[in-house]
Amino acid sequence: DTEVTQTPKHLVMGMTNKKSLKCEQHMGHRAMYWYKQKAKKPPELMFVYSYEKLSINESVPSRFSPECPNSSLLNLHLHALQPEDSALYLCASSQDMGVGYGYTFGSGTRLTVV
Amino acid sequence: GENVEQHPSTLSVQEGDSAVIKCTYSDSASNYFPWYKQELGKRPQLIIDIRSNVGEKKDQRIAVTLNKTAKHFSLHITETQPEDSAVYFCAASNGGNQFYFGTGTSLTVIP
Repeated sequence: DTEVTQTPKHLVMGMTNKKSLKCEQHMGHRAMYWYKQKAKKPPELMFVYSYEKLSINESVPSRFSPECPNSSLLNLHLHALQPEDSALYLCASSQDMGVGYGYTFGSGTRLTVV
Repeated sequence: GENVEQHPSTLSVQEGDSAVIKCTYSDSASNYFPWYKQELGKRPQLIIDIRSNVGEKKDQRIAVTLNKTAKHFSLHITETQPEDSAVYFCAASNGGNQFYFGTGTSLTVIP
């Protein structure tokens, strides 16, 4: 399996809802990431997990809460989001941290906050 | 931190012509430079990468060149085809596993 799988593919949620995004990989990659991407813009890093521990939080608002239950799974819990949080949320993984480990991106979850 | 600039933001070429996208970076410690292709509505996909100890790398119609002194690297696509139409992102990393992406180039190949 050489893929990163994200669910759901599309999500519409109200500003008072609580939802979760899920990301899964079975490549044995030890680094996993959450990115946010607005239309025609580059991906923006949100969180990095290395060996199941949060190693980078790019000053993301607390309404986004990441979780790494095990080495294959990465979740992003959403609560009280704003319309400006509508975007494509991409999960990625890499074999490890360090030079030369390219990312494998998932297909993303297209989130709309209403 | 690292700052990656990418030019041009849009590029149109006739099918069969070559396309060149250029990126510059600011952090001399950056040593890994991947290129991603993102088709409309799809995930970014790694198409080629280069490490700082190499000046050029080629994979069929795609090549990447790196000039460490000038801190710039370029993507070259030869014999372009309509399926090459996509947004291309360059990125730079200093090995800390945080990638700094360029602003993207929207490439259109006209049949």
